[in-house]
Amino acid sequence: GQQLNQSPQSMFIQEGEDVSMNCTSSSIFNTWLWYKQDPGEGPVLLIALYKAGELTSNGRLTAQFGITRKDSFLNISASIPSDVGIYFCAGQLKGAQKLVFGQGTRLTINP
Amino acid sequence: DTGVSQDPRHKITKRGQNVTFRCDPISEHNRLYWYRQTLGQGPEFLTYFQNEAQLEKSRLLSNRFSAERPKGSFSTLEIQRTEQGDSAMYLCASSLHRDYSTQYFGPGTRLTVL
Repeated sequence: GQQLNQSPQSMFIQEGEDVSMNCTSSSIFNTWLWYKQDPGEGPVLLIALYKAGELTSNGRLTAQFGITRKDSFLNISASIPSDVGIYFCAGQLKGAQKLVFGQGTRLTINP
Repeated sequence: DTGVSQDPRHKITKRGQNVTFRCDPISEHNRLYWYRQTLGQGPEFLTYFQNEAQLEKSRLLSNRFSAERPKGSFSTLEIQRTEQGDSAMYLCASSLHRDYSTQYFGPGTRLTVL
């Protein structure tokens, strides 16, 4: 099946640092989404991207839809303890209904 | 709360038993999706409905799995003769037909098969 390569797999940072993670694929996606998942909970939608080159912010979060339509990145500025969790990228191929997810990036913050 | 809800949140069962999960989507959303997530992995698509019609099923959905959405509102996912490999988080998501990319997830049902 389709694979999304998400990196890094884990990050250990200090509170206040900026964070960057990305997702790449060999396939062209029509939509990219970023979710955050806390232990024992479902993924929560953070940002949705619909056009190549699109740059969208949600508070301290910024995500971009790559020009090639094969990648996306998520940045978190000035991290705080509640940013801890697993971040997933998800993509949707043209004409497809399902989302394809990356493996996740586990973010740990040292206060 | 008007988000996606799922019931139960946790289910422990013995191998060979049948289990059924329920999902209530966001009220105006006519598309409903089921995904499965195993430990350390991202969610994987199982099936989706538009209103009451089941329009796509993944190869992951073996013949022991059946999903229904009889009135186009809530959905149920049944697993018959559960196996230990069925242990996972079962996630439900919903979306609007006109914006089917933007899928909102429920809290999930954690299934443990002993």
